[in-house]
Amino acid sequence: GESVGLHLPTLSVQEGDNSIINCAYSNSASDYFIWYKQESGKGPQFIIDIRSNMDKRQGQRVTVLLNKTVKHLSLQIAATQPGDSAVYFCAESSRSGSEKLVFGKGTKLTVNP
Amino acid sequence: DAGVIQSPRHEVTEMGQEVTLRCKPISGHDYLFWYRQTMMRGLELLIYFNNNVPIDDSGMPEDRFSAKMPNASFSTLKIQPSEPRDSAVYFCASSLPGLAGLETQYFGPGTRLLVL
Repeated sequence: GESVGLHLPTLSVQEGDNSIINCAYSNSASDYFIWYKQESGKGPQFIIDIRSNMDKRQGQRVTVLLNKTVKHLSLQIAATQPGDSAVYFCAESSRSGSEKLVFGKGTKLTVNP
Repeated sequence: DAGVIQSPRHEVTEMGQEVTLRCKPISGHDYLFWYRQTMMRGLELLIYFNNNVPIDDSGMPEDRFSAKMPNASFSTLKIQPSEPRDSAVYFCASSLPGLAGLETQYFGPGTRLLVL
């Protein structure tokens, strides 16, 4: 049932506020990172990616920050909208490894109108 | 492009039955991935193919699971016999062969499997 299993970190924000979702990764050899958004009943959807030679990348209303020193990744969503409500996953891979992406556990974002 | 196509979208079966999940990757994508998502374990990679050849099946839980990719536009994931603990959402994803394979994976809508 719903009470058993992963307890996703949750973030609740008001519509119009900025959201920051964090992700810690463990593999220091990881050099490619992606944020995915998964809405209820749907597959993960690509949002934005960043390679390890960058520390910041901006998209439409979203910004990804990468801190390789502390192995931390964050996703910033500006002017959060109800349609942004979803579970957000970070994923990492290593050029020296394989094509496999390793996914984090996810963060559930709820936007209150 | 229609994106990654999976069928069926929902499957309910009884323990012991054979289940076959199907995937059509995006045209031109050389990589195909099968994932399983559950509340307990999150999103897990089961197996992936490159140019129709299985590259890594270390995530396949046990011999009851098998996957094939007979051509560039079709893959199947089969569970025989199915068990209640196989109940999950199964996703197929595909990607282009980028620099060292580092390209975005595009996911299908998933197949929700319930084994009674």
